[in-house]
Amino acid sequence: EAGVAQSPRYKIIEKRQSVAFWCNPISGHATLYWYQQILGQGPKLLIQFQNNGVVDDSQLPKDRFSAERLKGVDSTLKIQPAKLEDSAVYLCASSLQANYEQYFGPGTRLTVT
Amino acid sequence: DAKTTQPTSMDCAEGRAANLPCNHSTISGNEYVYWYRQIHSQGPQYIIHGLKNNETNEMASLIITEDRKSSTLILPHATLRDTAVYYCIVRPNSGGSNYKLTFGKGTLLTVNP
Repeated sequence: EAGVAQSPRYKIIEKRQSVAFWCNPISGHATLYWYQQILGQGPKLLIQFQNNGVVDDSQLPKDRFSAERLKGVDSTLKIQPAKLEDSAVYLCASSLQANYEQYFGPGTRLTVT
Repeated sequence: DAKTTQPTSMDCAEGRAANLPCNHSTISGNEYVYWYRQIHSQGPQYIIHGLKNNETNEMASLIITEDRKSSTLILPHATLRDTAVYYCIVRPNSGGSNYKLTFGKGTLLTVNP
C-alpha cells in the first residue's frame, strides 16, 4: 500500500515570496491533516479536512496560509507571503476516518531567507 | 497544550528492552493513549494505542496502569533503527469529540551499540 506522498521535499524561498505544497493521501482515507513542525518541537496541527470540508483550522494563520482539498483527495497548502518564522517542516497526514490512526508523509522542509 | 509528560531523553543498549514512560494524570474516561515515533528527517510513525488493557503488536507493547494515569511503551529488543523521538498522546476515539493529535516534545530515545 502506497503511503502519503508529499512534494516538494525541500524548498528555499525569500521572505515575502509565495510557496505551495502538495499532498496525496493514502487511497480511501477521508481525513487529511496538515501539520507544521518547527525545529526541536512536536508537530502542530494547522488544518484538518474531512473529505473536502474543513473540520478544524483554528491554528491556521489565515492572513497568509490557505489550504484546499477540492475533490476530497489531493490537497495543497499555500503560504503567501512567507515570513522568516515560517521556516519549518510541513507534514501531511491522512487517516481512514478522523478517529483512526494517522499516517504521515515525509514532509516538506521549507527555509525562508 | 500536550496533556502528557515524558522524559526529555533516554538511552538504551542495542538488544535490550527499551521502556519509555509517560504520565497522563488528567486523562479522561474516553481518551486513548497513542504512541508515535519520529525518526530523524522522517514523518511521525504510528506505533500503538490502547484504552485500559495492555496491548501488543509487532512493533511494541503498551502497558497502561490500572488508574490509567501513566503508561509505558516497551520495545522488547531495541535496535539502532529504533533511535527516534517517541511521542505519547492522549486522544478520544469516539463520541464525536475532537480527535486532534496534540504532540508534545516527546522522548529522544538513543539506542547505543
